[in-house]
Amino acid sequence: AQSVTQLGSHVSVSEGALVLLRCNYSSSVPPYLFWYVQYPNQGLQLLLKYTSAATLVKGINGFEAEFKKSETSFHLTKPSAHMSDAAEYFCAVSAPGGATNKLIFGTGTLLAVQP
Amino acid sequence: GAGVSQSPSNKVTEKGKDVELRCDPISGHTALYWYRQSLGQGLEFLIYFQGNSAPDKSGLPSDRFSAERTGGSVSTLTIQRTQQEDSAVYLCASSKQENTEAFFGQGTRLTVV
Repeated sequence: AQSVTQLGSHVSVSEGALVLLRCNYSSSVPPYLFWYVQYPNQGLQLLLKYTSAATLVKGINGFEAEFKKSETSFHLTKPSAHMSDAAEYFCAVSAPGGATNKLIFGTGTLLAVQP
Repeated sequence: GAGVSQSPSNKVTEKGKDVELRCDPISGHTALYWYRQSLGQGLEFLIYFQGNSAPDKSGLPSDRFSAERTGGSVSTLTIQRTQQEDSAVYLCASSKQENTEAFFGQGTRLTVV
């Protein structure tokens, strides 16, 4: 069965520091993987997605993620955090046998950015 | 409209009452999804509509939950005989096709008292 695990429900970084949000997946088939961001009282916004093309995926707002099959990981990174990056981030995998956007989400990581 | 629109934005209801939540997808989007976001369960898939195909209802938690999509556009999620555990934010999303980017609405926050 498909699942994702996000390590660390809360991550705090200083402005300008590296952001690293961890996601590990479990999948019986080659997965489609996603990172979404949710700002307070907002819906989800797609940051980036992996669909079996390039393993290094670049997304919006300077974020990128690397698909590592050997580690079953899809960690999200940004070289330099900005105050506006403070939000909750969700990793997700497509459920098997269904639409790409039938998603199984991780439990989320709340990112705080300190001045 | 420019994005996925959900109404109401907030709904408080008494336990045992029925509620209807509405989703207006982006014009021209054939696929529509409902998710639930709750403290206890995180983000859960509920139901998915694609064009005229039979909906995928595999995520609906009980037979008190139902959804329809009229004319391939607006969707209504109905919860009958609401319970306190139904309290959550209900998110709707739509995509142009089933494998293209999904755009989410801001959600309806349902509180059952």
